[in-house]
Amino acid sequence: DTAVSQTPKYLVTQMGNDKSIKCEQNLGHDTMYWYKQDSKKFLKIMFSYNNKELIINETVPNRFSPKSPDKAHLNLHINSLELGDSAVYFCASSQAPARSTDTQYFGPGTRLTVL
Amino acid sequence: AQSVTQLDSQVPVFEEAPVELRCNYSSSVSVYLFWYVQYPNQGLQLLLKYLSGSTLVESINGFEAEFNKSQTSFHLRKPSVHISDTAEYFCAVVSYNTDKLIFGTGTRLQVFP
Repeated sequence: DTAVSQTPKYLVTQMGNDKSIKCEQNLGHDTMYWYKQDSKKFLKIMFSYNNKELIINETVPNRFSPKSPDKAHLNLHINSLELGDSAVYFCASSQAPARSTDTQYFGPGTRLTVL
Repeated sequence: AQSVTQLDSQVPVFEEAPVELRCNYSSSVSVYLFWYVQYPNQGLQLLLKYLSGSTLVESINGFEAEFNKSQTSFHLRKPSVHISDTAEYFCAVVSYNTDKLIFGTGTRLQVFP
């Protein structure tokens, strides 16, 4: 059973389009995250939700909007895609927020390519 | 604010040789330290973490890391690497007063036969 799953695995789209990435975890965790990994492998937090409430919102363009319909799901919607949005996006989950030091479990990633 | 520096972007090594991946951190408050591993085309997995107590922590696959507060370091070591250890290794920190896990830029460990 996959603990943290993301769809799609690959996403190729044109500039200006709107796209969504879905994430689901079956670990019963309360906290979920979105990270962006750029072409140099640098990994940076974008958003974090705890019990469906936004607790971290990094300096991310407002074209990016996370949505958590329930504790097991955290989706990422991106409007008006730009070339610089090309990256691998990772979803992760943990029982409690990061300061608790609970292990974060990562999904397999979604490779977004904007042409 | 916290930051993490991984001095080596790539570390090539032959199989069965020892390896050390370096990690230094900067923080004005106490931190917790982690090493995550990313195998090719996969997400990150926790390798080991230091929270408190003994400064030497070990993973189940033979890696160990030592927390050195005076040198603000958390270097990762393995006495004998395998081909299967080829991966990207990320050092990360979180402080008690923030919910952000801050990652270093990663070190690619390439093990050659």
